[in-house]
Amino acid sequence: QKEVEQDPGPLSVPEGAIVSLNCTYSNSAFQYFMWYRQYSRKGPELLMYTYSSGNKEDGRFTAQVDKSSKYISLFIRDSQPSDSATYLCAMSDTGGFKTIFGAGTRLFVKA
Amino acid sequence: SQTIHQWPATLVQPVGSPLSLECTVEGTSNPNLYWYRQAAGRGLQLLFYSVGIGQISSEVPQNLSASRPQDRQFILSSKKLLLSDSGFYLCAWRFHGDGEKLFFGSGTQLSVL
Repeated sequence: QKEVEQDPGPLSVPEGAIVSLNCTYSNSAFQYFMWYRQYSRKGPELLMYTYSSGNKEDGRFTAQVDKSSKYISLFIRDSQPSDSATYLCAMSDTGGFKTIFGAGTRLFVKA
Repeated sequence: SQTIHQWPATLVQPVGSPLSLECTVEGTSNPNLYWYRQAAGRGLQLLFYSVGIGQISSEVPQNLSASRPQDRQFILSSKKLLLSDSGFYLCAWRFHGDGEKLFFGSGTQLSVL
């Protein structure tokens, strides 16, 4: 069993739709949860960062962490064609040097 | 502000040739440094990480090696490339004590033919 599972998609939605991206994990020691956005042939950029459980909102993006279910989500409201990218979930434990990434979900937002 | 530089952006090398990819970080000192590889359509695989000059930890037995000759310089090398070494290589850095936020370079697309 992989430490982090993420549906690779692709996920195709019309412009303006609400997008839900999800990851599950198996290591209960994970405390830091991140979402990265990666455009084709570019390095990933940090989009959202959450410590422990709860919600975090930044503009059109909301990150949710449910540690009891070992499940994290990223919601994108009013999706735009510029949101078309691969979204990678990532997580790490306290004091660890290693961040574990999901496989990434490819998102296409159609104008 | 901090910036990370990684080069070259694209590299095509024959099987059996050597490899050297370089990464440098500006605007910070004593960062944790990382090399990741990303195969097409797959997630990021951690190859090496370093917490200081000369300190290298390897995550995956492979045909590659890493070195950190200076505080903000991280080098990925190979003496003889294999076809399976093809992929997208990413350098990343992280603050000490700033949670687990990683910041990535722009990547190197390596094709071994």
